[in-house]
Amino acid sequence: EDQVTQSPEALRLQEGESSSLNCSYTVSGLRGLFWYRQDPGKGPEFLFTLYSAGEEKEKERLKATLTKKESFLHITAPKPEDSATYLCAVQGGNNQGGKLIFGQGTELSVKP
Amino acid sequence: AAGVIQSPRHLIKEKRETATLKCYPIPRHDTVYWYQQGPGQDPQFLISFYEKMQSDKGSIPDRFSAQQFSDYHSELNMSSLELGDSALYFCASSINRGQWTGELFFGEGSRLTVL
Repeated sequence: EDQVTQSPEALRLQEGESSSLNCSYTVSGLRGLFWYRQDPGKGPEFLFTLYSAGEEKEKERLKATLTKKESFLHITAPKPEDSATYLCAVQGGNNQGGKLIFGQGTELSVKP
Repeated sequence: AAGVIQSPRHLIKEKRETATLKCYPIPRHDTVYWYQQGPGQDPQFLISFYEKMQSDKGSIPDRFSAQQFSDYHSELNMSSLELGDSALYFCASSINRGQWTGELFFGEGSRLTVL
């Protein structure tokens, strides 16, 4: 069964204090691993897709990396506006329109 | 730019009542997904449609049904509502044909409260 586990559940950082979020996954035939950001009461907002081990993607202060078993979301010099819940998800198989399985998320809080 | 539109945004129902949620995907998107997110929980996949045909099914109760219409909008019908059905229901759309990126565009969600 496809499964996604994220850690830590919550992370508190000071502004400028870099850190990493972890996403461990098991999936049959990885089609893609995704990172989303979710603000309270809002729908998840797409950040990155990673397709294969060794791939990296960057966007502003965020960098996502992928291995065969896990993905990391590195946050460099975070700002208070980066506070949100970060969700990792995987899609497996070759089914177009197939489901994304989400992890529980990491709730990030960045204090000024 | 057009986004995914969900209605209603808030809905309050009594136990055993019926509710219908609507979703209008981004124009030219070929896939619609429905997710349920309880308080403090991750989004749980319910069902998806690719080109108006059901493409995948998750943990959707038998009391729930969904369909996608000819204009690509989708409706999630929930009957015999239970207290545990109280949650945020998200609809998302994406493009799965051609250059697939896996990016899902989520709506703002419909908050269902069952009393």
